[in-house]
Amino acid sequence: DAKTTQPPSMDCAEGRAANLPCNHSTISGNEYVYWYRQIHSQGPQYIIHGLKNNETNEMASLIITEDRKSSTLILPHATLRDTAVYYCIVRDNFGNEKLTFGTGTRLTIIP
Amino acid sequence: DTGVSQNPRHKITKRGQNVTFRCDPISEHNRLYWYRQTLGQGPEFLTYFQNEAQLEKSRLLSDRFSAERPKGSFSTLEIQRTEQGDSAMYLCASSLGTSGETQYFGPGTRLLVL
Repeated sequence: DAKTTQPPSMDCAEGRAANLPCNHSTISGNEYVYWYRQIHSQGPQYIIHGLKNNETNEMASLIITEDRKSSTLILPHATLRDTAVYYCIVRDNFGNEKLTFGTGTRLTIIP
Repeated sequence: DTGVSQNPRHKITKRGQNVTFRCDPISEHNRLYWYRQTLGQGPEFLTYFQNEAQLEKSRLLSDRFSAERPKGSFSTLEIQRTEQGDSAMYLCASSLGTSGETQYFGPGTRLLVL
């Protein structure tokens, strides 16, 4: 799987949009971009995933650049409960079952 | 709550003892995964099952570790002769039975080896 690069930490004011970047410059054509988050002492929580089109669900939006070498996870109205470590993962959905986590971005929502 | 459940949530043991953890996947999920997470790191893949068949094992899974899923439902992960380096969070995840399905994680079992 392609490697991802994320900033180690970010702050965001409560109520504002949190934009978390991820670089995956070696992504191949059949690899998806997944986002998970992990709140302290809990298991990772699935957020969203996409291949090349932008995606939105009730939790977040995922914006993937046209060359697919980077993406941004957007939490539109951050709350204190969004404080967590956010992991960007690139995964080949055919034949590769494991998720390869990096160290993620520690997002802190400031009241 | 019909999510993935893991028991126990916490385990403290002495070096050299054996420990066993249990994972109950989401109902109707055929695939079950084990990961390990040490402090400050992301989870690392250990092994996964398709129904009762163990299909892949990481080289992290030493011969002191054994995982089973005898009836294709719950799974157990046993660590024999625990070492202090085994201290970690052990996470279980499950997914539907086809490739590429999203994995949903349980709350984890935190192991401390003294």
